[in-house]
Parts: sequence; structure tokens; C-alpha cells
Amino acid sequence: ETGVTQTPRHLVMGMTNKKSLKCEQHLGHNAMYWYKQSAKKPLELMFVYSLEERVENNSVPSRFSPECPNSSHLFLHLHTLQPEDSALYLCASSQGRGSNYGYTFGSGTRLTVV
Amino acid sequence: AQSVTQPDIHITVSEGASLELRCNYSYGATPYLFWYVQSPGQGLQLLLKYFSGDTLVQGIKGFEAEFKRSQSSFNLRKPSVHWSDAAEYFCAVGFTGKLIFGQGTTLQVKP
Repeated sequence: ETGVTQTPRHLVMGMTNKKSLKCEQHLGHNAMYWYKQSAKKPLELMFVYSLEERVENNSVPSRFSPECPNSSHLFLHLHTLQPEDSALYLCASSQGRGSNYGYTFGSGTRLTVV
Repeated sequence: AQSVTQPDIHITVSEGASLELRCNYSYGATPYLFWYVQSPGQGLQLLLKYFSGDTLVQGIKGFEAEFKRSQSSFNLRKPSVHWSDAAEYFCAVGFTGKLIFGQGTTLQVKP
């Protein structure tokens, strides 16, 4: 399998549930990202990991907890979410964290909080 | 602050017609510039990118974009649109190790 793979593709969860989103890249990249895409809003950068170390956290609420156990895997742990957290969550990776590298995106996880 | 503006939220063109999607950025130096396309239910796919050199860059699927420093623009063009080009298009600017995206332009193609 190649590219960036995200699972699950769709997730419906209650506000008291705990779930995790998974991202896996098979490109040998060393930087990974979580973006949130809501309707009518620009893509929001949530977290940046470079060489498995979190280098950026853009004021994301603590109910979102990222984990990067190695350079190929990235998780987003979710708990006690709110309905406004319903969105498409996109994972991306790049070779190097410099902005001259384009990102490769996964297909996203469509999250619905009920 | 750095920003990316896509002035057109929604554009409709007829199949076979030419297309231009606008992108303007605000940044103190020459940034790295990208165009991505997103089909419904999918992630973003890189169409093309500009780092330096020739200001007209060619991408996949017959797209091209031109960097104009004087206008702080990086407009995307295609001479003849196909129905399969209907999607959402995002312009992005790279600086300080991250990409900032515009709000996107939704392209509808009429038969």
C-alpha cells in the first residue's frame, strides 16, 4: 500500500465516547500533520509532528490528543467531543518540515458527533 | 499576517471552456505556492507547485499556474475544462514550515 492511509473513513460518536483516528504513511516522510476541514471554513492546521516530536499545537482543545509513536504512524485520540467538532479530519505527511515540500494528504475521516 | 485569498467561492463553466481560478497571498517574501484539488469525499491532491525559476508552472491533469510577484497572485488555469474537473480547488502558501490554505473555490462544470 502506498501514500497516506486514514482509518476509519467515517465515524459517528456520542459526546461521551472515546475514539481514535489513525493515519499511516508509506512514503518514508518524516513530518506528519493533522488538519480539520469544516464546511465553509479554511483548512485548520491542528498539530505538526517532525521526527516524531510535536512541534506545533495550534490552540487545539485538550479533548483532541495526538500521538506519533513512529515516523509512519499518527493518531488523533478523541474524547468528550462537541457537535461543533464534526468535520473532515485530514492527515498529511511531507519529506521534511520545510514549507518547500508539498504535503501528501490522506482521504480523511468524516467525523460526526451526536 | 500571512494569508491566502481565493476571491471566488464558486465558479461554473461549460465543458470545453477555459478556466481561471484566482489566488492572492500576503507574505513579505516570495513564498512557496501550491494548488491542490479535492474531489468529494477525498483528500487533497497536489496539482502543481512553484518554488522559484520560471513563473509559469505546469501541473497534472492539464493545469498550469502563473506566479506574478507584482500582483502577489498565483492563478490556476486550464484551456479546456472536462466534466471530471468538477471539484474544490485550494491555493496554499508555504512559509516557516507549514502550509496556509485559502478557503477554496468550488468548480461546477456544465455539460
